[in-house]
Amino acid sequence: EPEVTQTPSHQVTQMGQEVILRCVPISNHLYFYWYRQILGQKVEFLVSFYNNEISEKSEIFDDQFSVERPDGSNFTLKIRSTKLEDSAMYFCASSEVRKGRNQPQHFGDGTRLSIL
Amino acid sequence: SQQGEEDPQALSIQEGENATMNCSYKTSINNLQWYRQNSGRGLVHLILIRSNEREKHSGRLRVTLDTSKKSSSLLITASRAADTASYFCATGKMDSSYKLIFGSGTRLLVRP
Repeated sequence: EPEVTQTPSHQVTQMGQEVILRCVPISNHLYFYWYRQILGQKVEFLVSFYNNEISEKSEIFDDQFSVERPDGSNFTLKIRSTKLEDSAMYFCASSEVRKGRNQPQHFGDGTRLSIL
Repeated sequence: SQQGEEDPQALSIQEGENATMNCSYKTSINNLQWYRQNSGRGLVHLILIRSNEREKHSGRLRVTLDTSKKSSSLLITASRAADTASYFCATGKMDSSYKLIFGSGTRLLVRP
């Protein structure tokens, strides 16, 4: 069964450094998402991406965050200058698009980001 | 406002028993989805129920949706130790992004 893959599984970065989290969504999916989960807390929506542009972003997704689909398969999340509070599990998800009907989202296993 | 709050927060049952988890939400939705998360892993989609549906089954899972009460329940019948995980409800609205809003989850422990 096709799956969403994320790399790396664990990223340790010094505060203030840039980090790029990578995702390969399911190949025939057109909608892509990033979510994060701070330890012990809810899964929070960060951003959705469709047709090579952001369709919605949350308040968390400030100017330090950006997303890109650099080629036909990868979907990346960049944090320009990391803060301690960015430490969390980051999940990528993708879904099919059928007009007017939400579809299940398929999640990767996540990247655990630890900011020191 | 918070969306998708589950109860109980934690549930411990014996293998073979049924497990029921509830979810309440505040705003109008297009659909409600249930996900499972094993420790340290990603979220696995279990079942999606649309706002015009009242009940849905998938194997040992039964989901109900009451839009008048803004609530949903997930029933796992004949539980197994492998069902031990956290279970989350997530609501989706029909808008341009299809984002999901997750609840805080129920931690289910099934004792062998």
